Amino acid sequence: NAGVTQTPKFQVLKTGQSMTLQCAQDMNHEYMSWYRQDPGMGLRLIHYSVGAGITDQGEVPNGYNVSRSTTEDFPLRLLSAAPSQTSVYFCASSPGLGASWWGSEKLFFGSGTQLSVL
Amino acid sequence: KNEVEQSPQNLTAQEGEFITINCSYSVGISALHWLQQHPGGGIVSLFMLSSGKKKHGRLIATINIQEKHSSLHITASHPRDSAVYICAVALTGNQFYFGTGTSLTVIP
Repeated sequence: NAGVTQTPKFQVLKTGQSMTLQCAQDMNHEYMSWYRQDPGMGLRLIHYSVGAGITDQGEVPNGYNVSRSTTEDFPLRLLSAAPSQTSVYFCASSPGLGASWWGSEKLFFGSGTQLSVL
Repeated sequence: KNEVEQSPQNLTAQEGEFITINCSYSVGISALHWLQQHPGGGIVSLFMLSSGKKKHGRLIATINIQEKHSSLHITASHPRDSAVYICAVALTGNQFYFGTGTSLTVIP
């Protein structure tokens, strides 16, 4: 198993550009999520999904779009990048028990994407 | 307002010392996770707690649901334990709230 694969590791964008951060897991996990990590702040939830075709907003969804067409993939799209979106982004997955994913013993994180928007 | 507060923010210890990191939260939760973030940035899940105590090697995690408090203990600390330790609480629903982390440095 590769676990959670997140790409790219580093990205520099200009204001207004769009891009997609890729996240894939090969563990058949129902729950997948995206977080951003900023200095002095805890990880904050952007969007999450409890299964293929089901997505919902987290704490900081503005400026980001997601879709979940398959169980394996959960891409995060920046529609028009802004300097405020400079951050480190993490994708995570969990086995879940339907909607009760929080009972899972482990969260599995991708290796992170360091994004700079100039 | 941060629903999850960790203390201390930074901690330096001598190798072999017993270490305690604390996490307090202000909302009702269904579970609490302790995570370890390595200097390279990768995040690893250490424990999930909904009650009581768990032990894995030199790591011990406890939770008191009534007091809304959890502790992570490291016995016989080692330089390889140097990392950021993050507390995360799971609300009933699908949302997590994370603490800002405790940066631990263990000196040989």
